Amino acid sequence: SYVLTQPPSVSVAPGKTATITCGGNNIGSKSVHWYQQKPGQAPVVVVSYDSDRPSGIPERFSGSNSENTATLTISRVEAGDEADFYCHVWDGISNHWVFGGGTKLTVL
Amino acid sequence: EVQLVDSGGGLVQPGGSLRLSCAASGFTVGSKYMSWVRQAPGKGLEWVSVVYTVGTTHYADSVKGRFTISRDSSKNTLYLQMNSLRVEDTAVYYCASHRSDYGDHPSSQYFDSWGQGTLVTVSS
Repeated sequence: SYVLTQPPSVSVAPGKTATITCGGNNIGSKSVHWYQQKPGQAPVVVVSYDSDRPSGIPERFSGSNSENTATLTISRVEAGDEADFYCHVWDGISNHWVFGGGTKLTVL
Repeated sequence: EVQLVDSGGGLVQPGGSLRLSCAASGFTVGSKYMSWVRQAPGKGLEWVSVVYTVGTTHYADSVKGRFTISRDSSKNTLYLQMNSLRVEDTAVYYCASHRSDYGDHPSSQYFDSWGQGTLVTVSS
């Protein structure tokens, strides 16, 4: 089955830029979606279709996808951005939806 | 406004059964792809099952043959029947509605609304 690989943790100082990667075989050929999950809450989509921002998501959140790596970038990080982030794709071989293992973003 | 309310979780012994419900409002369950996603304590998200608008269903390998997804349009509710439960099925279970901005194919779907989750604990 298709595997998505994320770093377990990323740390960043307030006001700096956080970069979270999602690796997968030829992931650039798929649509990647990113979710933010805060403790005790359901996930919320923050980037869809590699780089689109759903309504209500700050412009500080952006995404890209090429070859074997998709990237979520959070600019001017705020304390309130601290959460777990998951990438997500559809695997056409298995007809399954696949999540990455998740990355815990810590704001120092 | 789209709202999903999960219910039906609880404590069950290994080998037992449980049925989860997800009551929808603001849309009809048959008009969107609908999935169940679970999260074991302290772990990441795991997709469990989906039902397409046309009724096609798919399951994660870990639950195939034990879980059944269904929907009742008259009650506007999604269900997950879970049989032969195992300790490793312990998790918070979320229902989620899909959205696509580019047609009805599965490759263009993502999860845009989620229930609040219901905890299933499998233990003796």
